[in-house]
Amino acid sequence: KAGVTQTPRYLIKTRGQQVTLSCSPISGHRSVSWYQQTPGQGLQFLFEYFSETQRNKGNFPGRFSGRQFSNSRSEMNVSTLELGDSALYLCASSLLGTENEKLFFGSGTQLSVL
Amino acid sequence: GESVGLHLPTLSVQEGDNSIINCAYSNSASDYFIWYKQESGKGPQFIIDIRSNMDKRQGQRVTVLLNKTVKHLSLQIAATQPGDSAVYFCAETGSSYKLIFGSGTRLLVRP
Repeated sequence: KAGVTQTPRYLIKTRGQQVTLSCSPISGHRSVSWYQQTPGQGLQFLFEYFSETQRNKGNFPGRFSGRQFSNSRSEMNVSTLELGDSALYLCASSLLGTENEKLFFGSGTQLSVL
Repeated sequence: GESVGLHLPTLSVQEGDNSIINCAYSNSASDYFIWYKQESGKGPQFIIDIRSNMDKRQGQRVTVLLNKTVKHLSLQIAATQPGDSAVYFCAETGSSYKLIFGSGTRLLVRP
């Protein structure tokens, strides 16, 4: 069974641009979460989707958005990129996203903003 | 507010010794805790989990201990191997549908 797949693996953008990251969850998993990982802030929750609905959102500006498709695949978008958006963006999936479920993570997309 | 933290940012152990990684959490209502291992260039990998109605849970070479009285979590790795070198994160369930991660401990295994 394939794991969580994230594309692209690496991305270089310049300030002001926008970026879209993609995530394919484990087959059968309906909950997809996104996390930002930086050396200074660690792993921070961005948002969670289940059945195409955002159920929870972290403390990030509106430039960060996401969506989930009917096949559970998810995308996140960052508009008007800032230098501080440089980070590893991790996608995780679980069956239902309930409180006592473990998350399975992809390898992430390393975003560098120049 | 909710927070999960670690006492030691870096832990260096001799190959073959046991490792203990500690974690403090602040939300006494948290019901579920997970340990993840992250190797360079990879996403966090699930190691072991424990629910709040348990004090101890064992896996293959790993044991997680939960002390709810002092809100403390630990990960014990028996007979530490070079392949165990990584950053270890504890995480707890915070508000709905998200995990709150600690800052991480880097484990270095000396040959």
